[in-house]
Amino acid sequence: GENVEQHPSTLSVQEGDSAVIKCTYSDSASNYFPWYKQELGKRPQLIIDIRSNVGEKKDQRIAVTLNKTAKHFSLHITETQPEDSAVYFCASPTGTASKLTFGTGTRLQVTL
Amino acid sequence: DAGVIQSPRHEVTEMGQEVTLRCKPISGHNSLFWYRQTMMRGLELLIYFNNNVPIDDSGMPEDRFSAKMPNASFSTLKIQPSEPRDSAVYFCASSINGVRTEAFFGQGTRLTVV
Repeated sequence: GENVEQHPSTLSVQEGDSAVIKCTYSDSASNYFPWYKQELGKRPQLIIDIRSNVGEKKDQRIAVTLNKTAKHFSLHITETQPEDSAVYFCASPTGTASKLTFGTGTRLQVTL
Repeated sequence: DAGVIQSPRHEVTEMGQEVTLRCKPISGHNSLFWYRQTMMRGLELLIYFNNNVPIDDSGMPEDRFSAKMPNASFSTLKIQPSEPRDSAVYFCASSINGVRTEAFFGQGTRLTVV
């Protein structure tokens, strides 16, 4: 079926290092790929998104890359800081864009 | 704008009781989503409305769940009768137009069914 797979499920990095989270999708018609950040006890919030007409998008320390041929997209966080610690979710429209399906989430821990 | 507003923030109820969760989307947004979040199943879409019309309700678990959107500024999610396995955080989200625009989430309702 149409789904979005995300890995790793947990990631621990030292402050200042980079973190990479990867998602794969199955619906070849998908053309919108957002990433959400959810801090403990809070709501998910969009941090960056990319559409299928570009291969990469950057916003300060955060970047997203898209490989439509391989059907995967990745979130890159550089110079990680303790406040980056959260659960990150990728998402993609599925079911002829009738729903936004979320990945299973990656718990990122940035240690001092 | 105050963002997406959900009520109540917390709800504790006994098994078998009816539970109604409420949501006020951001003014001007024409899409509204109800999600359920649990440790085991992650973020699951329950139902998606566009212009107050249900577009996809394939995620609604069973007949015990129902959702309505009588107008552009209000939606409800009802569980009747509630069961302990319904315990979760329920999020409402809205977007300007469909699933390819940013979804703004409410603060969620933490439901506990005992």
